[in-house]
Amino acid sequence: NAGVTQTPKFRILKIGQSMTLQCTQDMNHNYMYWYRQDPGMGLKLIYYSVGAGITDKGEVPNGYNVSRSTTEDFPLRLELAAPSQTSVYFCASSSIYGYTFGSGTRLTVV
Amino acid sequence: TQLLEQSPQFLSIQEGENLTVYCNSSSVFSSLQWYRQEPGEGPVLLVTVVTGGEVKKLKRLTFQFGDARKDSSLHITAAQTGDTGLYLCAGERGGYQKVTFGTGTKLQVIP
Repeated sequence: NAGVTQTPKFRILKIGQSMTLQCTQDMNHNYMYWYRQDPGMGLKLIYYSVGAGITDKGEVPNGYNVSRSTTEDFPLRLELAAPSQTSVYFCASSSIYGYTFGSGTRLTVV
Repeated sequence: TQLLEQSPQFLSIQEGENLTVYCNSSSVFSSLQWYRQEPGEGPVLLVTVVTGGEVKKLKRLTFQFGDARKDSSLHITAAQTGDTGLYLCAGERGGYQKVTFGTGTKLQVIP
Protein backbone atom coordinates (compact mmCIF):
# COMPACT_ATOMS: atom_id res chain seq x y z
CA ASN A 1 0.00 0.00 0.00
CA ALA A 2 1.85 3.10 -1.28
CA GLY A 3 -0.29 5.75 0.46
CA VAL A 4 0.66 9.20 -0.90
CA THR A 5 3.41 9.34 -3.51
CA GLN A 6 5.16 12.57 -4.48
CA THR A 7 7.62 13.19 -7.29
CA PRO A 8 10.25 14.47 -7.70
CA LYS A 9 12.06 14.21 -4.36
CA PHE A 10 14.42 17.10 -5.14
CA ARG A 11 14.45 19.84 -7.79
CA ILE A 12 16.44 22.96 -8.55
CA LEU A 13 14.71 25.60 -10.66
CA LYS A 14 15.98 28.82 -12.13
CA ILE A 15 14.03 32.01 -11.51
CA GLY A 16 11.17 32.27 -14.00
CA GLN A 17 11.00 28.56 -14.83
CA SER A 18 7.87 26.51 -14.30
CA MET A 19 7.31 23.00 -13.04
CA THR A 20 4.67 20.58 -11.82
CA LEU A 21 4.92 18.66 -8.58
CA GLN A 22 3.12 15.35 -8.89
CA CYS A 23 1.02 13.76 -6.15
CA THR A 24 -1.02 10.57 -6.25
CA GLN A 25 -2.81 8.58 -3.55
CA ASP A 26 -4.23 5.08 -3.60
CA MET A 27 -6.49 5.27 -0.52
CA ASN A 28 -9.56 6.61 -2.36
CA HIS A 29 -9.57 9.73 -0.16
CA ASN A 30 -11.73 12.59 -1.37
CA TYR A 31 -9.74 15.26 0.45
CA MET A 32 -6.26 16.23 -0.70
CA TYR A 33 -3.92 19.09 0.20
CA TRP A 34 -0.69 20.82 -0.68
CA TYR A 35 1.43 22.34 2.08
CA ARG A 36 4.76 24.09 2.15
CA GLN A 37 7.15 23.91 5.08
CA ASP A 38 9.87 26.49 5.52
CA PRO A 39 12.82 25.94 7.91
CA GLY A 40 11.78 26.32 11.53
CA MET A 41 8.17 26.87 10.54
CA GLY A 42 5.05 24.79 10.60
CA LEU A 43 3.02 23.72 7.60
CA LYS A 44 1.19 26.32 5.53
CA LEU A 45 -1.73 25.28 3.32
CA ILE A 46 -1.38 26.25 -0.34
CA TYR A 47 -4.43 24.61 -1.95
CA TYR A 48 -6.85 21.88 -1.10
CA SER A 49 -9.48 19.75 -2.83
CA VAL A 50 -12.59 18.08 -1.46
CA GLY A 51 -13.09 15.88 -4.51
CA ALA A 52 -12.45 15.49 -8.22
CA GLY A 53 -13.13 18.75 -10.04
CA ILE A 54 -13.23 20.85 -6.84
CA THR A 55 -10.29 22.91 -5.58
CA ASP A 56 -9.93 25.91 -3.29
CA LYS A 57 -7.23 28.29 -2.06
CA GLY A 58 -5.53 27.86 1.24
CA GLU A 59 -3.42 30.28 3.24
CA VAL A 60 -0.62 30.93 0.71
CA PRO A 61 -1.91 30.27 -2.85
CA ASN A 62 -0.11 33.05 -4.77
CA GLY A 63 2.26 31.73 -7.43
CA TYR A 64 0.68 28.28 -7.51
CA ASN A 65 -2.12 26.46 -9.31
CA VAL A 66 -3.72 23.06 -8.90
CA SER A 67 -6.10 20.74 -10.70
CA ARG A 68 -8.00 17.65 -9.61
CA SER A 69 -9.22 15.66 -12.60
CA THR A 70 -9.29 12.33 -10.74
CA THR A 71 -9.65 11.21 -7.14
CA GLU A 72 -6.09 9.86 -7.17
CA ASP A 73 -4.08 12.78 -8.57
CA PHE A 74 -3.56 16.32 -7.32
CA PRO A 75 -0.67 18.05 -9.13
CA LEU A 76 0.70 21.42 -8.02
CA ARG A 77 1.89 23.81 -10.72
CA LEU A 78 4.47 26.54 -10.10
CA GLU A 79 4.49 29.27 -12.73
CA LEU A 80 7.39 31.75 -12.96
CA ALA A 81 9.37 30.37 -10.03
CA ALA A 82 10.69 32.88 -7.49
CA PRO A 83 13.29 32.49 -4.71
CA SER A 84 10.47 32.88 -2.16
CA GLN A 85 9.13 29.53 -3.37
CA THR A 86 12.22 27.71 -2.12
CA SER A 87 10.72 25.30 0.40
CA VAL A 88 9.76 21.71 1.10
CA TYR A 89 6.38 20.81 -0.37
CA PHE A 90 4.13 18.13 1.07
CA CYS A 91 1.07 16.58 -0.47
CA ALA A 92 -1.45 14.91 1.82
CA SER A 93 -4.79 13.19 1.74
CA SER A 94 -7.17 12.71 4.63
CA SER A 95 -9.95 10.62 6.08
CA ILE A 96 -11.91 11.15 9.28
CA TYR A 97 -9.00 9.56 11.15
CA GLY A 98 -6.36 12.04 10.04
CA TYR A 99 -3.88 12.96 7.37
CA THR A 100 -1.47 10.82 5.36
CA PHE A 101 1.49 12.74 3.97
CA GLY A 102 3.85 12.10 1.13
CA SER A 103 7.60 12.19 1.73
CA GLY A 104 7.96 15.69 0.30
CA THR A 105 9.64 17.56 -2.55
CA ARG A 106 12.58 19.79 -1.69
CA LEU A 107 12.55 22.69 -4.16
CA THR A 108 15.28 25.28 -4.52
CA VAL A 109 14.83 28.31 -6.77
CA VAL A 110 18.08 30.02 -7.79
CA THR B 1 -2.53 34.69 12.45
CA GLN B 2 -1.21 31.54 14.14
CA LEU B 3 -4.13 29.72 15.77
CA LEU B 4 -2.08 27.01 17.45
CA GLU B 5 0.98 27.79 19.54
CA GLN B 6 3.24 24.98 20.66
CA SER B 7 5.69 25.09 23.53
CA PRO B 8 8.49 24.63 23.98
CA GLN B 9 9.80 25.33 20.50
CA PHE B 10 12.95 23.26 21.11
CA LEU B 11 13.68 20.58 23.68
CA SER B 12 16.90 18.64 24.22
CA ILE B 13 16.82 15.96 26.92
CA GLN B 14 18.72 12.88 28.04
CA GLU B 15 17.42 9.41 27.27
CA GLY B 16 15.17 8.19 30.09
CA GLU B 17 13.80 11.63 31.03
CA ASN B 18 10.13 12.59 30.87
CA LEU B 19 8.80 15.56 28.91
CA THR B 20 5.59 17.37 28.06
CA VAL B 21 4.78 19.35 24.93
CA TYR B 22 1.91 21.81 24.90
CA CYS B 23 -0.42 22.96 22.13
CA ASN B 24 -2.55 26.01 22.95
CA SER B 25 -5.16 28.08 21.18
CA SER B 26 -7.89 30.60 21.88
CA SER B 27 -10.10 28.76 19.37
CA VAL B 28 -12.26 25.71 19.92
CA PHE B 29 -11.48 22.69 17.77
CA SER B 30 -13.73 19.79 16.86
CA SER B 31 -10.72 17.47 16.96
CA LEU B 32 -7.00 17.66 17.46
CA GLN B 33 -4.28 15.54 15.93
CA TRP B 34 -0.64 14.95 16.82
CA TYR B 35 2.04 14.13 14.26
CA ARG B 36 5.72 13.27 14.41
CA GLN B 37 8.01 14.25 11.56
CA GLU B 38 11.51 12.86 11.06
CA PRO B 39 14.12 14.63 8.92
CA GLY B 40 13.49 14.23 5.20
CA GLU B 41 10.06 12.69 5.70
CA GLY B 42 6.47 13.83 5.89
CA PRO B 43 4.59 14.03 9.20
CA VAL B 44 3.12 10.77 10.47
CA LEU B 45 -0.13 10.73 12.42
CA LEU B 46 0.23 9.59 16.04
CA VAL B 47 -3.26 10.14 17.43
CA THR B 48 -6.55 11.99 17.00
CA VAL B 49 -8.52 13.21 20.03
CA VAL B 50 -12.11 14.37 19.63
CA THR B 51 -13.73 14.65 23.06
CA GLY B 52 -12.97 17.37 25.62
CA GLY B 53 -10.98 15.84 28.49
CA GLU B 54 -10.07 12.78 26.45
CA VAL B 55 -6.84 10.97 27.28
CA LYS B 56 -5.23 8.53 24.87
CA LYS B 57 -2.13 6.43 25.44
CA LEU B 58 0.19 5.10 22.79
CA LYS B 59 2.87 3.05 24.58
CA ARG B 60 5.02 5.68 26.36
CA LEU B 61 3.11 8.61 24.84
CA THR B 62 0.06 10.12 26.58
CA PHE B 63 -2.13 12.63 24.77
CA GLN B 64 -4.74 14.82 26.45
CA PHE B 65 -7.38 17.09 24.93
CA GLY B 66 -8.40 20.01 27.12
CA ASP B 67 -11.89 20.10 28.60
CA ALA B 68 -12.76 23.18 26.54
CA ARG B 69 -11.21 21.66 23.37
CA LYS B 70 -8.82 24.62 23.02
CA ASP B 71 -5.59 22.94 24.07
CA SER B 72 -3.77 19.65 24.18
CA SER B 73 -0.64 18.10 25.63
CA LEU B 74 1.70 15.28 24.74
CA HIS B 75 3.62 13.60 27.54
CA ILE B 76 6.47 11.19 26.83
CA THR B 77 7.66 8.89 29.59
CA ALA B 78 11.25 7.62 29.63
CA ALA B 79 12.20 9.20 26.31
CA GLN B 80 14.23 7.16 23.83
CA THR B 81 16.48 8.29 20.99
CA GLY B 82 13.82 7.05 18.57
CA ASP B 83 11.47 9.75 19.89
CA THR B 84 13.67 12.42 18.29
CA GLY B 85 11.78 14.48 15.73
CA LEU B 86 9.46 17.40 15.11
CA TYR B 87 6.12 17.11 16.90
CA LEU B 88 3.19 18.93 15.34
CA CYS B 89 -0.31 19.40 16.66
CA ALA B 90 -3.12 20.14 14.23
CA GLY B 91 -6.62 21.33 15.01
CA GLU B 92 -9.71 20.85 12.89
CA ARG B 93 -12.49 23.41 12.81
CA GLY B 94 -15.05 24.33 10.19
CA GLY B 95 -15.40 20.93 8.65
CA TYR B 96 -14.00 19.49 5.43
CA GLN B 97 -11.23 17.81 7.49
CA LYS B 98 -9.11 20.93 6.93
CA VAL B 99 -6.75 21.43 9.83
CA THR B 100 -4.45 24.17 11.03
CA PHE B 101 -0.98 23.05 12.08
CA GLY B 102 0.83 24.29 15.14
CA THR B 103 4.25 25.88 15.15
CA GLY B 104 5.98 22.60 16.06
CA THR B 105 8.25 21.33 18.85
CA LYS B 106 11.66 20.01 17.87
CA LEU B 107 12.69 17.25 20.27
CA GLN B 108 16.19 15.85 20.53
CA VAL B 109 16.81 12.87 22.81
CA ILE B 110 20.47 12.41 23.62
CA PRO B 111 21.77 8.90 24.42
